[in-house]
Amino acid sequence: SAVISQKPSRDICQRGTSLTIQCQVDSQVTMMFWYRQQPGQSLTLIATANQGSEATYESGFVIDKFPISRPNLTFSTLTVSNMSPEDSSIYLCSAGRDSPNYGYTFGSGTRLTVV
Amino acid sequence: SQQGEEDPQALSIQEGENATMNCSYKTSINNLQWYRQNSGRGLVHLILIRSNEREKHSGRLRVTLDTSKKSSSLLITASRAADTASYFCATGSNQGGKLIFGQGTELSVKP
Repeated sequence: SAVISQKPSRDICQRGTSLTIQCQVDSQVTMMFWYRQQPGQSLTLIATANQGSEATYESGFVIDKFPISRPNLTFSTLTVSNMSPEDSSIYLCSAGRDSPNYGYTFGSGTRLTVV
Repeated sequence: SQQGEEDPQALSIQEGENATMNCSYKTSINNLQWYRQNSGRGLVHLILIRSNEREKHSGRLRVTLDTSKKSSSLLITASRAADTASYFCATGSNQGGKLIFGQGTELSVKP
């Protein structure tokens, strides 16, 4: 299965600023996703990162707040814009094949604290 | 939005005992997957069961799926302290390959 490198692993940011999280996969994958996980909670899907086109956002998430890029089949970025303390969370990327027979690989997560 | 419920929310057992976690979901699925998350880390894929399968084994893991009841269970046999983690079920559907996660079960295995 694919191996994902996610950076940064953690950051403390000032409110009103933006942070870009990078996700690099060691092989070409069809599917890439971004999730948010509040402390002690489950994962909530933010969006599907589409190669060469705009991401597909889930209800409650908008492109202006969470712009996503995916220039090729191995790399994606998620930006958390104009941050507030409510954005403090763990952000995870995942990747894998577009097949019902395989699971996905996850990055190790980015722990974001907004002060 | 979350797909469904997992129970129990927390489970504490002794090493060597079996641990059973349950997952229910709401919509039709292609597959159901189980993931483990150690504290503060990423998720690790454990096992996948397709919608036309009823039971699957992998090492000490046994997964069952009942599509008529929209439920699944994960059994970990002969648990070890290293199994201490949060366990999440996730459902895959025809909607673009995305996964929808359950609430998770926090398992604590005491040595």
